[in-house]
Amino acid sequence: NAGVTQTPKFQVLKTGQSMTLQCAQDMNHNSMYWYRQDPGMGLRLIYYSASEGTTDKGEVPDGYNVSRLKKQNFLLGLESAAPSQTSVYFCASSYPLGGRGSTYEQYFGPGTRLTVT
Amino acid sequence: AQKVTQAQTEISVVEKEDVTLDCVYETRDTTYYLFWYKQPPSGELVFLIRRNSFDEQNEISGRYSWNFQKSTSSFNFTITASQVVDSAVYFCALSRRVQGGKLIFGQGTELSVKP
Repeated sequence: NAGVTQTPKFQVLKTGQSMTLQCAQDMNHNSMYWYRQDPGMGLRLIYYSASEGTTDKGEVPDGYNVSRLKKQNFLLGLESAAPSQTSVYFCASSYPLGGRGSTYEQYFGPGTRLTVT
Repeated sequence: AQKVTQAQTEISVVEKEDVTLDCVYETRDTTYYLFWYKQPPSGELVFLIRRNSFDEQNEISGRYSWNFQKSTSSFNFTITASQVVDSAVYFCALSRRVQGGKLIFGQGTELSVKP
């Protein structure tokens, strides 16, 4: 199993350009997440998807859009990149650990380092 | 509101010293989950431990141990006899049972273990 994979690993954009970050998981997980990591701020949730076809906003969704058309893929789009979106982006997926009251242990991808100039 | 605070931004120790990383959380939920992740210089996030709010037993795994105290809303992480390979950023995180497992992370503590 490859686990959670992200493409690309590195990307440089100019202000105003658009792009899509791709995330794929081969663990048949229902839930998928996009986080961004900025120095001194930990990881913050951008969007998440509880199942195929559903998405919901996280803590910092402005300037992003997402798509979950297939269970194994979760795409993060930047329509008009801004320097404030320079960050490391992590995708994660999770499954219930089983039973009522279960939590979701998350598996993270390797990250995408994005620089917007 | 949910919040995780890791007050120690950076810690530097000499190899073989013991070190404790602090984590304090805030939540009004009675059922919640706490996690520790390690981020080595290579950048990936490595899961270390998950603890349920209804299980206050401390846990030991090799040189790692975790002290969960609901009375003080703390979930501290101790590395015994630290090694250079322990150098990393360590994140504490909280998730709620009712919100699909979304993680709320602390700011992270950068641990540097010098030989």
